[in-house]
Amino acid sequence: QKEVEQNSGPLSVPEGAIASLNCTYSDRVSQSFFWYRQYSGKSPELIMSIYSNGDKEDGRFTAQLNKASQYVSLLIRDSQPSDSATYLCAVNTGTASKLTFGTGTRLQVTL
Amino acid sequence: DVKVTQSSRYLVKRTGEKVFLECVQDMDHENMFWYRQDPGLGLRLIYFSYDVKMKEKGDIPEGYSVSREKKERFSLILESASTNQTSMYLCASSLSQGAYGYTFGSGTRLTVV
Repeated sequence: QKEVEQNSGPLSVPEGAIASLNCTYSDRVSQSFFWYRQYSGKSPELIMSIYSNGDKEDGRFTAQLNKASQYVSLLIRDSQPSDSATYLCAVNTGTASKLTFGTGTRLQVTL
Repeated sequence: DVKVTQSSRYLVKRTGEKVFLECVQDMDHENMFWYRQDPGLGLRLIYFSYDVKMKEKGDIPEGYSVSREKKERFSLILESASTNQTSMYLCASSLSQGAYGYTFGSGTRLTVV
């Protein structure tokens, strides 16, 4: 069983819509959760972090965490073509600062 | 902002060569990591280091070694390059606490022919 699972996509949403990206994890002791954005041919860039249950908002991005369900999501409001990228979910299980990554969801925002 | 610099953006090496990939960070981070990224397989951890001269194996260390003689520099060594080591190699660094995530370098795309 993979430790961090994401749907590989592609997830296609029209410009201006809300994109919803989901991630589940297997280790119940996980403490810190991150979303990275990766454009094709580029390295991952940290866009959101969340540590406690509930929602965390930053501009057009909202991260949601439900530890009981072992589920973390990323919502992108008013999606733009520039949001088209692969989004990686990463989880820290508390073993020092080592992160485990999902394989990513490819998002396509269409005009 | 933390900057993580990888010495080469693209490299082409021959099978059997010894290959050095260099990574330098400028924000005094304790932790440094080497990953490789392949389509469909995601990011896989090769080695990591929590302090100078310390190293620990990740999930796929076979065929690789690392060196961390100074806090800011973490080198990945391919002892005898093989074609199945053709990949994107990503270096990352972070503070010692787990809550801050990683900062990645720009990556090195290595092709072994």
